[in-house]
Formats: sequence, structure tokens, C-alpha cells
Amino acid sequence: AQTVTQSQPEMSVQEAETVTLSCTYDTSENNYYLFWYKQPPSRQMILVIRQEAYKQQNATENRFSVNFQKAAKSFSLKISDSQLGDTAMYFCAFMKRYGGSQGNLIFGKGTKLSVKP
Amino acid sequence: SAVISQKPSRDICQRGTSLTIQCQVDSQVTMMFWYRQQPGQSLTLIATANQGSEATYESGFVIDKFPISRPNLTFSTLTVSNMSPEDSSIYLCSGAGVMRSESQYFGPGTRLLVL
Repeated sequence: AQTVTQSQPEMSVQEAETVTLSCTYDTSENNYYLFWYKQPPSRQMILVIRQEAYKQQNATENRFSVNFQKAAKSFSLKISDSQLGDTAMYFCAFMKRYGGSQGNLIFGKGTKLSVKP
Repeated sequence: SAVISQKPSRDICQRGTSLTIQCQVDSQVTMMFWYRQQPGQSLTLIATANQGSEATYESGFVIDKFPISRPNLTFSTLTVSNMSPEDSSIYLCSGAGVMRSESQYFGPGTRLLVL
């Protein structure tokens, strides 16, 4: 079975600074995806970034980037130039691929990020 | 991406009653899922909604308690039956496989309070 661990229950960062959220996972699979989702107080789950396990290049989306270390089973999220709107719960998630189909997501417990002015 | 809507957005229900939550996707998706998020917790998968056949339930969730329908590629319902206060949670549906995308998109959730 796959597990996802987020070891930082809460973090804070000053506006405009950089913060890194940690995530590790455990799997024996070779074909999978990793995601970071953001859940603001509205409770809407918003996809932040996606990483395919077969790609060595780290994914980036504007101010968001990941450090994917496949051998170490580590998948951290870096937020640059933090903004007040980044304040949210961040969930790391694992998804196994089944041939051409998508599996369900397995979530970590989340990291509550507060961006301070 | 896909835009997913859920109805109702929230409800307060009495113990012993049932509530049906609707999930509508604006485009065809390969897979649809239902998750539960208990207060202060992460998301847990309830079941995979299969088009035209019975849903696939995770351990700890049963069809009698959480019947699910998926009549087509864009719509699904989840019923929470014979509710108790322990069912108070946010229920979220998601869709995956839009335009062959591997990403999974979520509805806004249904916040349920059972008294």
C-alpha cells in the first residue's frame, strides 16, 4: 500500500519570502504521479502542480516548483515570492497509474501554511 | 481542466435521514471519485464511481450506507443514508481523465452537519 507523509503540520513565512513544504511517500510502484493541492478556507481543492514519476525534470508553475527525488521518495514544494493569498492548507498526493487509467489520490495529512504581512 | 459543481453546497440534516449529493462535470471524464474530509482531517476515498455499474468501495465504506450512481460520463450522485452525527463532514467529488489529462479536479465540496 502507498503512504504519503507530510511532517510539517504548520508553517509560516513572511510575505515575499520563499518557503519549502516537505512530502515523502512510500510505494513499490514505478508508474505514478505526484501532486500538490491547495485548500484555502473556502475548502475548494485547487491543483497547484503535478509531477510525473518518469520525468527527471522538476515541474514548475510560475512561483511554484517541486524538488522530486525519486530514489529518496521525496517530493517537496517550493513557493517563491510568497503572497497573502497563498495562505492555505497544502496537501501532497500520490496517484498510481493503471495502464491508461487514473487511480484515486492518496493524500498526506496536510501542512497549514500562513503567509504573514 | 474541468469545472465541477456540487449540489447542495451545505446542509444541516436530522439523525436517521438521508441526503443525496449531486456532482456535475462540464466535460467527459474517465474516472469520478467521492472523498470524505472529516473536520480538521485530510481527504479519504469513499469509492470510485463507475459508469453504468456498481461503484468500487474502499475498506470501511459500504454500499448500503453510501450508495453511488453514475449514469453517464459527466454526472454522479452520492447518498449518505441513515445519517448520524459521525457523518458530519465535507464530501467532495472529483473527476480525472479530461482530454487525457492525468490531473484530478475537485468540486467545491458539500458541507454536511448532522444533528
